[in-house]
Order: sequence, then C-alpha cells, then structure tokens
Amino acid sequence: EIVLTQSPATLSLSPGERATLSCWASQSVNSYFDWYQQKPGQAPRLLIYDASNRAPGIPARFSGSGSGTDFTLTISSLEPEDFAVYYCQQRNNLPLTFGGGTKVEIK
Amino acid sequence: EVQLVQSGGGLEKPGGSLRLSCAVSGFTFSDAWMSWVRQAPGQGLEWVGRIKTKTDGATTDYAAPVKGRFTISRDDSKNTLYLQMNSLETEDTAVYYCATSRALRSSSFSYWGQGTLVTVSS
Repeated sequence: EIVLTQSPATLSLSPGERATLSCWASQSVNSYFDWYQQKPGQAPRLLIYDASNRAPGIPARFSGSGSGTDFTLTISSLEPEDFAVYYCQQRNNLPLTFGGGTKVEIK
Repeated sequence: EVQLVQSGGGLEKPGGSLRLSCAVSGFTFSDAWMSWVRQAPGQGLEWVGRIKTKTDGATTDYAAPVKGRFTISRDDSKNTLYLQMNSLETEDTAVYYCATSRALRSSSFSYWGQGTLVTVSS
C-alpha cells in the first residue's frame, strides 16, 4: 500500500498570505495524484487532478506541482473561504490512498 | 446537473448488516467507475472500494479492512450504486460517501454524494 504523508498537519496563516502544502508518497505514483478540499460537514471537493490540472471551477489561486513522490499544493493568496482541510490522494496503485490531511486555519 | 443522492445507513449492532444506496443523475451512470469512500468521526478519508463499468467487466476492488465483508454492486437500469455491508464492526463507524469522476476510467473524484452516517454500536 502506498502511504501518503502530508505536511504540516496544521498551517496557521492570515488571509492574503501564501499557503504551501506538501505531500510525499512512499513510492512513485507518477502523476496519478489529486488534491481535495473539505470543509466541516461537507463532502470533499476536487481541486487538482493529475498533479497539476485545476478541476473545472477552481480558482487560479490554487496550483499543484510535482511528480513521482513529491507533490505540492500552493494557494497563492488565501481567501476567507480557503480555510479548510486539504487531502492528497494517489490513484496509481490499489488500494487508492489518501494523506492524513493538512488543516489550514486562520492565524 | 450531476447529482449523487445517498440513502440508507443508520445505527446497527456489531455483526449486523446494512445497505447503502447512491442514486445518480445528470450523467451516463453506465459509463462511470464508482467508488465508496468513508470518513470515521474526526478522521481522514479512506477509500472503501470501487466497481468498474460493465464494459470493463464490472469488476470490483476493495480495501483490505472491508474485503470479504462488504460488497459493491450497481444497477445500471436504475442508475444506482450499492454498498452491502455485512459483519459490521465498531471500526466501520463513519460517514460513507459515493464518488465518481467526470472522466472515463478515472478515480479522480469530481462528484460526491452528500454522505450518510453509519454507526456500529451495541
């Protein structure tokens, strides 16, 4: 099973600041890698697929990069609605696995 | 508009059974690989399993913790996905989501159901 490790667990930032979230895979997942956002009481929302492609309707302030084992989600300038939990997911191998999540909270 | 509407769930005793349903509209259900994902209270996301299309053999894959206890099926005539959960354990307590992709043969989950809570407790 591919283990995804997200860092940091919590990120405390102010609106307008840049957020950089990391996810490492225990073995290569090529670019079969996605990022999701989840707010309390809601289903997750797909932000980035194939490591760097924004899903339809996702604002340009969200960007993804990386391949192989190291991936990054960047939010260029945090908006109030961006404070949430973010998960990475790999779909290169079964079982599909998710990272443990990074909570982006208001400082 | 794509909609995944879930039903089922609730409280069940350890060792019991429950069936979840996920009714789909707004896209061609028969072309979609469908998955179930769960989230234990206060925890992260865990993939439960998936079913491919009939074209792809309607094959199923499961995560180790549920293999042999849970069964995923689909009824393309009703545009509905099912999760039959048997031999329930307290560790199965979670919100269960059905999910699918807008792309063929993909497991990037573009669309999600609203989630349904399953509580396993004596």
